[in-house]
Amino acid sequence: QKEVEQNSGPLSVPEGAIASLNCTYSDRGSQSFFWYRQYSGKSPELIMSIYSNGDKEDGRFTAQLNKASQYVSLLIRDSQPSDSATYLCAVTFNQAGTALIFGKGTTLSVSS
Amino acid sequence: GAGVSQSPSNKVTEKGKDVELRCDPISGHTALYWYRQSLGQGLEFLIYFQGNSAPDKSGLPSDRFSAERTGGSVSTLTIQRTQQEDSAVYLCASRQRNEQFFGPGTRLTVL
Repeated sequence: QKEVEQNSGPLSVPEGAIASLNCTYSDRGSQSFFWYRQYSGKSPELIMSIYSNGDKEDGRFTAQLNKASQYVSLLIRDSQPSDSATYLCAVTFNQAGTALIFGKGTTLSVSS
Repeated sequence: GAGVSQSPSNKVTEKGKDVELRCDPISGHTALYWYRQSLGQGLEFLIYFQGNSAPDKSGLPSDRFSAERTGGSVSTLTIQRTQQEDSAVYLCASRQRNEQFFGPGTRLTVL
């Protein structure tokens, strides 16, 4: 059974702080990792993808992957109230396009 | 360019009725997925189409659910004899390289 685990939160941070979101996955064969942001009542929006161990930065977002520990994280620097949303971690077993397995999401609240 | 589109945006139906949900993927994307999102269950995979290959139906919860994709583009998800536990948001995604992009979803309510 392939599983993706996330803390449900809510994670509350003040505006300007760093938000750290974490995710673990059960299948050691997993190869592709994604972070989606979902605003209330909206569909998931892809914000980061990562495939290799290490860090990947895109603007205020940094994804970190550690395959040995089966752990992927998302850091949001200079958090803004507009970052308040649910963040979904998703994993695929291989890069051939199989279905995404999602965690249940972490709710982030950024206070101004 | 245009993203994934889905229709209807909302559907209310009575228990036992059949419903059809439609998805138009991003032009040129050959892979199409259906997921559903319900409270307490998170986002779960239903079915996957890749080009002309046989679909991966491994996520369909029962034989009341079926889907087809005509001409390698538009897809229709059909739920027969709907039950209250089918109430959820049904999401379609299409894939470019290894990244999946979601449509706005169809919220299905079964009374």
